[in-house]
Amino acid sequence: DTAVSQTPKYLVTQMGNDKSIKCEQNLGHDTMYWYKQDSKKFLKIMFSYNNKELIINETVPNRFSPKSPDKAHLNLHINSLELGDSAVYFCASRSWGGRYNEQFFGPGTRLTVL
Amino acid sequence: DAKTTQPNSMESNEEEPVHLPCNHSTISGTDYIHWYRQLPSQGPEYVIHGLTSNVNNRMASLAIAEDRKSSTLILHRATLRDAAVYYCILSYTSGSRLTFGEGTQLTVNP
Repeated sequence: DTAVSQTPKYLVTQMGNDKSIKCEQNLGHDTMYWYKQDSKKFLKIMFSYNNKELIINETVPNRFSPKSPDKAHLNLHINSLELGDSAVYFCASRSWGGRYNEQFFGPGTRLTVL
Repeated sequence: DAKTTQPNSMESNEEEPVHLPCNHSTISGTDYIHWYRQLPSQGPEYVIHGLTSNVNNRMASLAIAEDRKSSTLILHRATLRDAAVYYCILSYTSGSRLTFGEGTQLTVNP
């Protein structure tokens, strides 16, 4: 009954490689997010999609490209991985509209770039 | 979004109440006050939110100062499972965009 799931949970790769992280939510939400939590534990928003449309795009290198094939999925593709990309990446989802809707977070994907 | 200030860490004993403070002196009239927490090795989870009035839910209570420049998250009976980083967040939207600060690391002693 996982609400927001991410794969893989751990990802270890070499500098320069290209990798993808997948996120799926079964909550029927129409808005999804990617956050990055670095080694200092700061959690920063990267992207947000609402109904497959990009609505938040923070200052993130263009090596990072989110893709939302449908409302239930938001994948993150990273090209030419760098050491500084090592972090935990969290996906989240939320229902848009209404008075208030909290965000539901996935368990995270720990990316280690060697 | 306006900035919040929280203590870096706090300690509590199991089964005692915990009051986690948050200062937000530059809060605007339309800012919601959100609280999320992050248990070890997990993603953040929603705790509670408020706008002007005090709020209660099954997890916690939120006490908001009359001038809205500060708020306090209250855990009525701390358990070991409540050990987490607690984030106080202001957002002019109703939860669509969250800017996390450093939070307060809560340690609960048995």
